[in-house]
Amino acid sequence: EVQLVESGGDLVQPGGSLRLSCAASGFTFSSYAMSWVRQAPGKGLEWVSAITGSGASTYYADSVKGRVTISRDNSKNTLFLQMNSLRAEDTALYYCAKDHCSGGGCVTYFDCWGQGTLVTVSS
Amino acid sequence: DIQMTQSPSSVSASVGDRVTITCRASQGISSWLAWYQQKPGKAPKLLIYGVSSLQSGVPSRFSGSGSGTDFTLTISSLQPEDFATYYCQQGNSFPITFGQGTRLEIK
Repeated sequence: EVQLVESGGDLVQPGGSLRLSCAASGFTFSSYAMSWVRQAPGKGLEWVSAITGSGASTYYADSVKGRVTISRDNSKNTLFLQMNSLRAEDTALYYCAKDHCSGGGCVTYFDCWGQGTLVTVSS
Repeated sequence: DIQMTQSPSSVSASVGDRVTITCRASQGISSWLAWYQQKPGKAPKLLIYGVSSLQSGVPSRFSGSGSGTDFTLTISSLQPEDFATYYCQQGNSFPITFGQGTRLEIK
């Protein structure tokens, strides 16, 4: 069974940093691109970042570019999101999501999601 | 960026009704279109990908159609468990974008 478990969310002050993790199991992790998608309280879904299966290519939304770094450790089946210079508008539930496309080189749709980890940015 | 616009934003319907939700892309996205269902307090669930391909385990009352910029999600006969929020998403180009969501409520 495919499973994604996020962790690392917390209450942080504006300007602070946080590192989110997503532990994956039940599939060949390195064969799939992975993404982070966030959802602010009561709002819709916003794609944040993606990384190919090998980790060679990364992609970011303009809203986080320069402040966020996505990475992965395929030996530990874990996805990361390093978030710096956090702002109030980054407050959201952060989901990690597995790509539907096998092979690892494409980012298309998300066929498995974790339960999310909550990031709150407030003083 | 490709903007995805869903309509309506909310809809009320009864069990057994046929419901259609529309998603319009600001530019052509070929067939790179997916639909998700999200229930309160839960993660989104992939229903349909590639415009019309049903994800494994999704009931056949869900169907998708369209091409280019205009797409639809149809639920042929609403069941109680279908009342949720639905999102479209384009996978044609970065940044990946979602529609604003359509809330399907019980009449």
